[in-house]
Amino acid sequence: AQSVAQPEDQVNVAEGNPLTVKCTYSVSGNPYLFWYVQYPNRGLQFLLKYITGDNLVKGSYGFEAEFNKSQTSFHLKKPSALVSDSALYFCAVRPSDRGSTLGRLYFGRGTQLTVWP
Amino acid sequence: NAGVTQTPKFQVLKTGQSMTLQCAQDMNHEYMSWYRQDPGMGLRLIHYSVGAGITDQGEVPNGYNVSRSTTEDFPLRLLSAAPSQTSVYFCASSSPSGILTDTQYFGPGTRLTVL
Repeated sequence: AQSVAQPEDQVNVAEGNPLTVKCTYSVSGNPYLFWYVQYPNRGLQFLLKYITGDNLVKGSYGFEAEFNKSQTSFHLKKPSALVSDSALYFCAVRPSDRGSTLGRLYFGRGTQLTVWP
Repeated sequence: NAGVTQTPKFQVLKTGQSMTLQCAQDMNHEYMSWYRQDPGMGLRLIHYSVGAGITDQGEVPNGYNVSRSTTEDFPLRLLSAAPSQTSVYFCASSSPSGILTDTQYFGPGTRLTVL
């Protein structure tokens, strides 16, 4: 079965400190991995994705994520957090095998990131 | 481009009422889908469509119908609303060039309350 786990419901960091939001996955075939951010009362905004190639993916707003196949992880990182980064972050995976629902994204439960001044 | 648009933004229904949530995109995307978001549960797929005239069920399809008569529009119908359908509903679309690798773009959501 396909699944995504975000083990932390909340992450709190001080502004200027590095941040990490964790994500692990279980999927058949090669995974296509995505991070989305949701600000209050807004839709989901795409941050970055891993399809193939370099394990370190750079995305919007200074975020990056590292794909680790052996640990089946895709953690989201940022070297220096901003108060404006406070939001709900979702990790999602799309399996590549033909038996899966075409195009479907499997989402984690979300991690609420709070950056305090 | 307006991207993915959804109407209404908010809706309150009584149990048993029916309604249609509208979704439209102007990016010529062939793939469209509906998700519902509930606290602590992430997003769950309701229905999806890979092109006009083609729809299929997702993870939680019961109580919902869809149709896709045009590339642009993908309405979601609640046949007989129940309190369990209180949720935030998101429509998403992605381009036809690569269904598996392309990014899905989300609308702003419809917040539905069923009393």
